[in-house]
Amino acid sequence: GQNIDQPTEMTATEGAIVQINCTYQTSGFNGLFWYQQHAGEAPTFLSYNVLDGLEEKGRFSSFLSRSKGYSYLLLKELQMKDSASYLCAVHNQAGTALIFGKGTTLSVSS
Amino acid sequence: DTGVSQDPRHKITKRGQNVTFRCDPISEHNRLYWYRQTLGQGPEFLTYFQNEAQLEKSRLLSDRFSAERPKGSFSTLEIQRTEQGDSAMYLCASSLPMDEYRDRVQETQYFGPGTRLLVL
Repeated sequence: GQNIDQPTEMTATEGAIVQINCTYQTSGFNGLFWYQQHAGEAPTFLSYNVLDGLEEKGRFSSFLSRSKGYSYLLLKELQMKDSASYLCAVHNQAGTALIFGKGTTLSVSS
Repeated sequence: DTGVSQDPRHKITKRGQNVTFRCDPISEHNRLYWYRQTLGQGPEFLTYFQNEAQLEKSRLLSDRFSAERPKGSFSTLEIQRTEQGDSAMYLCASSLPMDEYRDRVQETQYFGPGTRLLVL
């Protein structure tokens, strides 16, 4: 089976750096995704990792360790608009459906 | 706009009624997915199409749910005899066909705005 764990809530202030962790258990690994979801809106793609290491994309970076079943999303220079839910997801064994965690709600204050 | 579109965006219905939702994927994407999301949860997979073939169905997809993609383009999701527990956001996503992956990032699923269903 597959299971994904991530913290329920996090808070941070504008300009700070925040790291959102995700641990997963999967019977066959086919890649890990991070999505951002603002309240009442659809998830939007942030990053994809299939190999170990860090992927950097502007203010956002994502790290993967397959041996530890662990990923994190790093958000730098936080802005108020970064207040959202951040969803960690892995592919199912067939590489088709995404299995999502419950999401981490990030609140950025001034 | 060339993203995934869904219609309607909101639907209020009474328990026992049938509802149908539509999803139009990104035009060059032949893979289409339906998910359901309730408050405080991540999206949960319902079903997956490659072209017009429905290749995978979740155990969440009870007999009251049916999905079609008759011409391999748009898809419909119908819920018969709705129950209050069906109240959720229904999300559609699409992605490129696997044999066109030049970069694994192209497996990315792109989501539509969702249809929010409220069953009274």
